[in-house]
Amino acid sequence: EAAVTQSPRSKVAVTGGKVTLSCHQTNNHDYMYWYRQDTGHGLRLIHYSYVADSTEKGDIPDGYKASRPSQENFSLILELASLSQTAVYFCASSEDRSNTEVFFGKGTRLTVV
Amino acid sequence: QQKVQQSPESLIVPEGGMASLNCTSSDRNVDYFWWYRQHSGKSPKMLMSIFSNGEKEEGRFTVHLNKASLHTSLHIRDSQPSDSALYLCAASNMGYKLTFGTGTSLLVDP
Repeated sequence: EAAVTQSPRSKVAVTGGKVTLSCHQTNNHDYMYWYRQDTGHGLRLIHYSYVADSTEKGDIPDGYKASRPSQENFSLILELASLSQTAVYFCASSEDRSNTEVFFGKGTRLTVV
Repeated sequence: QQKVQQSPESLIVPEGGMASLNCTSSDRNVDYFWWYRQHSGKSPKMLMSIFSNGEKEEGRFTVHLNKASLHTSLHIRDSQPSDSALYLCAASNMGYKLTFGTGTSLLVDP
């Protein structure tokens, strides 16, 4: 099965601090995604990437940056963490063909205090 | 912006019963629907996908799609306690980006 590994699995950050969430996939997938999950909101797409060194905005990009330094790695960066960014973050990957299954990592629980 | 609406928000069915979940997209360009299952504290995992009108069956799970109304439904027969989870519907119109609904929380009562 496709492997997507996230680190850390949980993190407590202070308001105004910088947070970096990392994601590594060994599936040789071109597409990678960052979603956040909040109770009552399902999964919402923050950023995605279809090639190394390029990222695209998703539906809720404000307050987040993304970095794709290689095909395997995709990071989500919160430059100034805020309380409203407390959530569970999922990284995911998929092949470069339309309507293919998206595989999710185990998630990172971020708490901003 | 594409929206995916799911109903009901939560559902309780007895063990062995039938669970029926609904999902509708407001984007007429949607061409694929997905159903993901997420157990508590776990990551979402794909259950089934459908893009043609009609129905698709895999074991105890059946998915229906009406493309004219952009409505899909998931039916779980002979529900088991292990089916208790959050069921997420997603739709795509660009192939790669999934838009998810808020989910239906299913509890199978033993």
